[in-house]
Amino acid sequence: SAVISQKPSRDICQRGTSLTIQCQVDSQVTMMFWYRQQPGQSLTLIATANQGSEATYESGFVIDKFPISRPNLTFSTLTVSNMSPEDSSIYLCSVEDRGQLAFFGQGTRLTVV
Amino acid sequence: AQSVTQPDIHITVSEGASLELRCNYSYGATPYLFWYVQSPGQGLQLLLKYFSGDTLVQGIKGFEAEFKRSQSSFNLRKPSVHWSDAAEYFCAASGGGADGLTFGKGTHLIIQP
Repeated sequence: SAVISQKPSRDICQRGTSLTIQCQVDSQVTMMFWYRQQPGQSLTLIATANQGSEATYESGFVIDKFPISRPNLTFSTLTVSNMSPEDSSIYLCSVEDRGQLAFFGQGTRLTVV
Repeated sequence: AQSVTQPDIHITVSEGASLELRCNYSYGATPYLFWYVQSPGQGLQLLLKYFSGDTLVQGIKGFEAEFKRSQSSFNLRKPSVHWSDAAEYFCAASGGGADGLTFGKGTHLIIQP
């Protein structure tokens, strides 16, 4: 199984600033996914990130707010831009490994004040 | 629209008793199905997954799930729960490939001594 590392694990940020979350995988994977888990809620897919192409965003999420990079097959970043308290959530990275969607990082717990 | 429904928001079970958590899905075709567990402050841990074949799937920590196409269900079971099983349980589904996961709202499991 793939091992996924996310950084930072948590952060407290001022409103109006941006935070970039990193996701590193210990093996090459085709697709990486970013999810948001708002307090007390379930997970919602933000976007799918393929190496060498633009990320595909789900309804309700836009590139200007959540720009994503996927420079190679083991790494991706998600930026939460111009943050507001409503962005306080856990952000999770997930990967497809050998054709199986299954593995998640530990998540980044973001608090916007 | 694709959806995953977990009808029970909270379930309370006595330690040592059996457990069944319900999950229903609505997809155009039979999706890939997953169960995850999330303990407080922790990431998501994959319990088991169903792609095809045997409809009774064995997972980690003594969990199993049964896929029933006629009922569009993928219920999670455990014959005897332990206090350490107290957590949030998420059912998820995917159409495969670049589809990402659609999550249910989760079931909060409480274990009574």
